[in-house]
Amino acid sequence: DTGVSQDPRHKITKRGQNVTFRCDPISEHNRLYWYRQTLGQGPEFLTYFQNEAQLEKSRLLSDRFSAERPKGSFSTLEIQRTEQGDSAMYLCASSFDGSGAYEQYFGPGTRLTVT
Amino acid sequence: DAKTTQPPSMDCAEGRAANLPCNHSTISGNEYVYWYRQIHSQGPQYIIHGLKNNETNEMASLIITEDRKSSTLILPHATLRDTAVYYCIVRVAGGGNKLTFGTGTQLKVEL
Repeated sequence: DTGVSQDPRHKITKRGQNVTFRCDPISEHNRLYWYRQTLGQGPEFLTYFQNEAQLEKSRLLSDRFSAERPKGSFSTLEIQRTEQGDSAMYLCASSFDGSGAYEQYFGPGTRLTVT
Repeated sequence: DAKTTQPPSMDCAEGRAANLPCNHSTISGNEYVYWYRQIHSQGPQYIIHGLKNNETNEMASLIITEDRKSSTLILPHATLRDTAVYYCIVRVAGGGNKLTFGTGTQLKVEL
């Protein structure tokens, strides 16, 4: 399977703990995106990378959240001091920065539950 | 990016065409119309996109009105596996290209 993969698929953590999620994009894609989705809502943009550079961050990305893409390949999203409001599905997507309109391909997501 | 309006839900009989409407009356000349769908507990899946002309691929057809203020996604022969939330998104090509999702249309395909 050469699609976008995410790990873990599910994470249950206690409030105040730190968690880290990993995303492996499609290999030739140089753009990588993180989204968050709560129940009954569409995904909301968090941040995106072009290669290793983080080019945009949403206001949703508080200072407890940090994302990295150190070698322009996989990415990690860390949440420090988790809160119950962080419970959501965290989605990763990738795309190729070519000419014209280019679609994003999503991974299966990581479902986070903060107890 | 322009705002879109979609009906919250629709039903369709299996084997029939599903026609999902989307209004985007404030669309700009350089904005594309994208459609994604999300089957329960999965990540969104790209379906199709277009700028001005109608488009067709193996999954669906996209009909964009001449004034580009609305569009229709057509699933020609809906199956139970097409039950999903369908999102219509308008965005500019180039730049960051983040997707701004609304709440979409829940399509339920029934026997």
